Amino acid sequence: GQQLNQSPQSMFIQEGEDVSMNCTSSSIFNTWLWYKQDPGEGPVLLIALYKAGELTSNGRLTAQFGITRKDSFLNISASIPSDVGIYFCAGQRGAQKLVFGQGTRLTINP
Amino acid sequence: NAGVTQTPKFQVLKTGQSMTLQCAQDMNHNSMYWYRQDPGMGLRLIYYSASEGTTDKGEVPNGYNVSRLNKREFSLRLESAAPSQTSVYFCASRPGPGLYEQYFGPGTRLTVT
Repeated sequence: GQQLNQSPQSMFIQEGEDVSMNCTSSSIFNTWLWYKQDPGEGPVLLIALYKAGELTSNGRLTAQFGITRKDSFLNISASIPSDVGIYFCAGQRGAQKLVFGQGTRLTINP
Repeated sequence: NAGVTQTPKFQVLKTGQSMTLQCAQDMNHNSMYWYRQDPGMGLRLIYYSASEGTTDKGEVPNGYNVSRLNKREFSLRLESAAPSQTSVYFCASRPGPGLYEQYFGPGTRLTVT
């Protein structure tokens, strides 16, 4: 079945550093979504991408829809303690179902 | 606007017991989903309802049933709980055609002993 490879699986950074993570697939997706999940909570939508090559920002977060439509990237600038959590990518091929990556766990040292 | 709400937040069942997880959304969304989240497995789709009156199986439907009670509510039933169904269950909703972002509830943490 469809799979998304999300990397890195975990990151340990210093407060103030920039963060980059990505998702890749062997399949083409029409939509890429990025979510953040805090402990004990549900995933919260951060950014939705609908066009190949699209670059979208949400505050300190920037995500890109890869030109091949097989990958997507999320960057966080100037990290702060509340950025801690698990970040998930998800791809949609036009039917009802999303395919999720395994998540990137972000830890920030103050 | 409460978004997507789920009840209960926590539940402990004995093997063989049944229960229903409730989900409601107040965003007038057409589609609703049930996922389970297990360590190392990510989010896996159990069932979904593309619109009121329809339901379809997802990736891991065995041992579950669903009911789309109306446009707002989508329930998940475990008829005879098994330890393998210990998981965190999330309900989600999606606005409708052309919009694919899903909005998640806070989850139900279920333990089956």
